[in-house]
Amino acid sequence: EDKVVQSPLSLVVHEGDTVTLNCSYEVTNFRSLLWYKQEKKAPTFLFMLTSSGIEKKSGRLSSILDKKELFSILNITATQTGDSAIYLCAVVGDNNNDMRFGAGTRLTVKP
Amino acid sequence: NAGVMQNPRHLVRRRGQEARLRCSPVKGHSHVYWYRQLPEEGLKFMVYLQKENIIDESGMPKERFSAEFPKEGPSILRIQQVVRGDSAAYFCASSPLAAGASSYNSPLHFGNGTRLTVT
Repeated sequence: EDKVVQSPLSLVVHEGDTVTLNCSYEVTNFRSLLWYKQEKKAPTFLFMLTSSGIEKKSGRLSSILDKKELFSILNITATQTGDSAIYLCAVVGDNNNDMRFGAGTRLTVKP
Repeated sequence: NAGVMQNPRHLVRRRGQEARLRCSPVKGHSHVYWYRQLPEEGLKFMVYLQKENIIDESGMPKERFSAEFPKEGPSILRIQQVVRGDSAAYFCASSPLAAGASSYNSPLHFGNGTRLTVT
């Protein structure tokens, strides 16, 4: 059965810290891994990763995928209070028509 | 450019009543997904629909839950005879193509969700 495990489940840091969020997965015929940020409402798309070793970057956020070890990390540098959210990892495989989500990492950034 | 619209935002039902949750996808999107989110849990897949067809309902309880996506109008998630355990946030997402489509991987566009509370 497809599985997506995120760690840690929650994390509290102070502004300016750097954080690394982890996502490991087991999926049949992997196609892509996606990161979403969820604040009070709908998850918003951050990154889609399909190839190993290629870093995707957007401002202070970056992510990379390791298809051999079956995991991805999401890095946030110089965190701000506005980064406080739940970060969701999802994978898409061949044998399903949807994304399987992990439980998320709840990040709290304190001033 | 309206995104995915869900209504109502909040819905309160007594045990045994019916809950109807509506989702209008992004214009032009013909693939709709419903997810349920419980506190401290990620989004759990429920059902995937294309226009007039249920493609995958493997995540939806077989009893009391049903979904449709008619040719005209929004997608509806219907929960009959609600119980307290149905209290959750229900998110709808749409995509121009299936999430696993071989030719194109498209991120889902999510609505803001409907928070169902069963009293």
